[in-house]
Amino acid sequence: GAVVSQHPSWVICKSGTSVKIECRSLDFQATTMFWYRQFPKQSLMLMATSNEGSKATYEQGVEKDKFLINHASLTLSTLTVTSAHPEDSSFYICSALGTSADVTDTQYFGPGTRLTVL
Amino acid sequence: GNSVTQMEGPVTLSEEAFLTINCTYTATGYPSLFWYVQYPGEGLQLLLKATKADDKGSNKGFEATYRKETTSFHLEKGSVQVSDSAVYFCALRSTGGGNKLTFGTGTQLKVEL
Repeated sequence: GAVVSQHPSWVICKSGTSVKIECRSLDFQATTMFWYRQFPKQSLMLMATSNEGSKATYEQGVEKDKFLINHASLTLSTLTVTSAHPEDSSFYICSALGTSADVTDTQYFGPGTRLTVL
Repeated sequence: GNSVTQMEGPVTLSEEAFLTINCTYTATGYPSLFWYVQYPGEGLQLLLKATKADDKGSNKGFEATYRKETTSFHLEKGSVQVSDSAVYFCALRSTGGGNKLTFGTGTQLKVEL
């Protein structure tokens, strides 16, 4: 149980285009999801907290107009990188916070999405 | 603020060797502590966790004990395998922190035959 999927697993796009990444909790409901960014050989940097039915909370220094987050249902959150540039190339990882008794209080991570902006 | 410090890698061991990856933390209150593992090309997987002092988390032969007196949560395994090669992240979740995780920088483990 407690599986989180991401789609796509990798994407290559041209500079100036927008890319949408989906994060789904497959076998549990998640009122809260998190989006992270991971640079090569570095730790995860929290970008934002996504709450179902409300606006996302962004960490300091993260541009909310560039990284649009939508959490429209209890199993789906999306991250859209708008007007992507090469410096946005990174590994984006989502996690979902379990709320039911068997997965409570623990973040479960998706496999990540590798974004390359040319 | 909260922080997690891990030993720098890479750590290279021979198969069946004993593993220790050190992790210390700084946090207010009584955080929960986690170890996550990231295999090449994959996302993070929860390895084990401990939610209060003196708790021992264990999974797949890995263990870590929550030591409040030394603010540590060192990861250990008695006999590593090649399949354990991965990056290991120590993390904490502070009380009242909105379930946010603070990660260490990760320690790469390489196990050789």
